[in-house]
Amino acid sequence: SQTIHQWPATLVQPVGSPLSLECTVEGTSNPNLYWYRQAAGRGLQLLFYSVGIGQISSEVPQNLSASRPQDRQFILSSKKLLLSDSGFYLCAFSQGDYGYTFGSGTRLTVV
Amino acid sequence: SQQGEEDPQALSIQEGENATMNCSYKTSINNLQWYRQNSGRGLVHLILIRSNEREKHSGRLRVTLDTSKKSSSLLITASRAADTASYFCATNRGSEKLVFGKGMKLTVNP
Repeated sequence: SQTIHQWPATLVQPVGSPLSLECTVEGTSNPNLYWYRQAAGRGLQLLFYSVGIGQISSEVPQNLSASRPQDRQFILSSKKLLLSDSGFYLCAFSQGDYGYTFGSGTRLTVV
Repeated sequence: SQQGEEDPQALSIQEGENATMNCSYKTSINNLQWYRQNSGRGLVHLILIRSNEREKHSGRLRVTLDTSKKSSSLLITASRAADTASYFCATNRGSEKLVFGKGMKLTVNP
């Protein structure tokens, strides 16, 4: 079966520190991969998506970057976190014309 | 930018009642999807309806789509306390991207 793993579940980081969130998918090949951010009580903002290894599309210019070093691995990074980077980060994958499967999310608090 | 807008933003009902949530969108779509999110968790895909479909059922869920009005509704029948969650509609315009609405919070009181 297809599964998605996202970690860590929670993270508290100081301003100016780096960030690396990882997401891996199992049970499928060549999925589309996505990073979303959800601010408290708000909808989901698409940050990055990838249709293949090394192919990254950025939706919102910001302090974050994404990479896809392997087919089923998607990484969200930052060199220096800002307070405004706090939020709930969700990784997801899709294949074909079907719904997305989301990871369990990472609650990031920048202090 | 957000394509779908759910209405109402919050709904509180008693267990056993039906819950209806509406979604409006602005541009043509390939399909529309509904998701549920329990507090602090990831989203769970509920149902997908394609632009050439008008109604779809899945268990206690019924989704309708009116492309002329650019709107969709999600009906949950015989609601349960476990249905308490936030619900999102999301639209796909034929690309790889899915655009989500802001969501609406459903509270089912036991």
